[in-house]
Amino acid sequence: AQSVTQLDSQVPVFEEAPVELRCNYSSSVSVYLFWYVQYPNQGLQLLLKYLSGSTLVKGINGFEAEFNKSQTSFHLRKPSVHISDTAEYFCTYFKTIFGAGTRLFVKA
Amino acid sequence: DSGVTQTPKHLITATGQRVTLRCSPRSGDLSVYWYQQSLDQGLQFLIQYYNGEERAKGNILERFSAQQFPDLHSELNLSSLELGDSALYFCASSTLDRGYSPLHFGNGTRLTVT
Repeated sequence: AQSVTQLDSQVPVFEEAPVELRCNYSSSVSVYLFWYVQYPNQGLQLLLKYLSGSTLVKGINGFEAEFNKSQTSFHLRKPSVHISDTAEYFCTYFKTIFGAGTRLFVKA
Repeated sequence: DSGVTQTPKHLITATGQRVTLRCSPRSGDLSVYWYQQSLDQGLQFLIQYYNGEERAKGNILERFSAQQFPDLHSELNLSSLELGDSALYFCASSTLDRGYSPLHFGNGTRLTVT
């Protein structure tokens, strides 16, 4: 069965530190991969997407992700986080399969 | 603002009751998706409609049903409600029925069953 695994349920990090949120998917076919962010009491919004082409994808708010086909991964990174990045992050593909989410908590 | 409107924002009802959640997709989007978000199950895909037709079904209970109307708005009907149905229900829309077309989410309806 197809699945998406987000390897960390919670990631605490200090402000201005780098962060990586990990996502692995299981599929042997071409995939379209997405990261969404959910701020408290809001719906999800698109951070970035990988459709094809360059494996390094840049998104909003300074986030980027790298598609690695051999490792079936699509990890999300940000070189320097802000307090306002505190939110839950979801990795997904095919729109029907979401990871369990990673709660990023940025501390001052 | 995603352009997707969900009503009501909050709903409190009793076990055994029936409720209807409404979603207006973003202007121009033909595809509507419904999701249930709860602490123990995470974000679960329920059902998808495209231009009025059901396209995909996920973990949707038989007590739940949905439809998409000619004006493209969609309704999710939940009946014989149980305590475990308490959750946040999201609607999302996308322009195309293609994997590369991203989702635009509403702010959800929080359902509390007492």
